[in-house]
Amino acid sequence: AQSVTQLDSHVSVSEGTPVLLRCNYSSSYSPSLFWYVQHPNKGLQLLLKYTSAATLVKGINGFEAEFKKSETSFHLTKPSAHMSDAAEYFCVVSDPNDYKLSFGAGTTVTVRA
Amino acid sequence: ETGVTQSPTHLIKTRGQQVTLRCSSQSGHNTVSWYQQALGQGPQFIFQYYREEENGRGNFPPRFSGLQFPNYSSELNVNALELDDSALYLCASSYRTGTGYTEAFFGQGTRLTVV
Repeated sequence: AQSVTQLDSHVSVSEGTPVLLRCNYSSSYSPSLFWYVQHPNKGLQLLLKYTSAATLVKGINGFEAEFKKSETSFHLTKPSAHMSDAAEYFCVVSDPNDYKLSFGAGTTVTVRA
Repeated sequence: ETGVTQSPTHLIKTRGQQVTLRCSSQSGHNTVSWYQQALGQGPQFIFQYYREEENGRGNFPPRFSGLQFPNYSSELNVNALELDDSALYLCASSYRTGTGYTEAFFGQGTRLTVV
């Protein structure tokens, strides 16, 4: 069985400063890992995905994440936050041949002007 | 936009009633999954349909049921609605290959309120 723990329920940053969202996972197999973003009253949008290729994954809108197997982590970062980054972020794990995505509880990002 | 559309966007039902939610998958996708997202929580897997058959189910009671049609669109039906069924219901489509699944694309969801 797989599971995800998002270590921060809420992160507040100033515009132009770095963003770090932390995620630890548990999986019996070599997992696929994803970060999704959800803006208010919107569906989920895929930011990036890791599927056993390069451990540093680049996504949309300047986000990237690093897969660290030894630490079972998949933290999401962005060098410079923008007001439009204010949203809910979900770390997601799935086993390669599984049909189910397992979501973390989410991290709410607030960006201060 | 992902190409996955859900209807209706909002719905209010009374406890004990039945509801049907609809989803049109992205063109070329053959798999549809449904998720329930309660307020302040991450989405929880309800079930998945592949080739018109249920392909896996999460920890939801039988009063949650579904259908997938030949054009790969899908319905989620919930009978005997309870107050705790109030949530955002998300549909996700993907393509099942011989070795796994492509990434899932989500619709904007249906907000169900049970009163």
